[in-house]
Amino acid sequence: DSGVTQTPKHLITATGQRVTLRCSPRSGDLSVYWYQQSLDQGLQFLIQYYNGEERAKGNILERFSAQQFPDLHSELNLSSLELGDSALYFCASSPDMAGGNSPLHFGNGTRLTVT
Amino acid sequence: AQKITQTQPGMFVQEKEAVTLDCTYDTSDPSYGLFWYKQPSSGEMIFLIYQGSYDQQNATEGRYSLNFQKARKSANLVISASQLGDSAMYFCAMRGMMDSSYKLIFGSGTRLLVRP
Repeated sequence: DSGVTQTPKHLITATGQRVTLRCSPRSGDLSVYWYQQSLDQGLQFLIQYYNGEERAKGNILERFSAQQFPDLHSELNLSSLELGDSALYFCASSPDMAGGNSPLHFGNGTRLTVT
Repeated sequence: AQKITQTQPGMFVQEKEAVTLDCTYDTSDPSYGLFWYKQPSSGEMIFLIYQGSYDQQNATEGRYSLNFQKARKSANLVISASQLGDSAMYFCAMRGMMDSSYKLIFGSGTRLLVRP
């Protein structure tokens, strides 16, 4: 168990809808990262938050947004969903102490299916 | 820009044999870290091993070792004595220390199948 909790585990919704994915980082970790993994592909970095503030943005669509709350949990909001948004969405956390050899610890992911 | 390349989409290995999964990288960052993750069919991402660019020795963790060749910019994962449970996707990833986000950049992965 990585200590990173993601809910829900599965989500099925229709095109045009909006969903919210939730992530609780490991205790003590200040950084939260969101990644998207489409079918049989590697992980694409979406966005990172550190202690409540956005730190880095990757290939995140304008229809997507995220935030990190004072208790350090994070939410990823996906709106105007399209079929191509179907993917496994991962949250990962790290203590973010000078990077170094600290791995990212991943949650089990939320599998989003857009029909 | 940083880039990770895994050129083997899929590989087979016989149980109890060793297997090498290839990873090459490209970065202009003088200091960086290299990671390997395992993703079983259940979907979770499991951290396996880390190698720092200034580490003198190749990293080892149990049956996993990292064959780090800095001049060639390669960081191959070696799994010794393969087990059926090693069947999974394996991802190589990199972190550049000049990137203040400390995010990981991932390769496209290698699917390993261990044959009994």
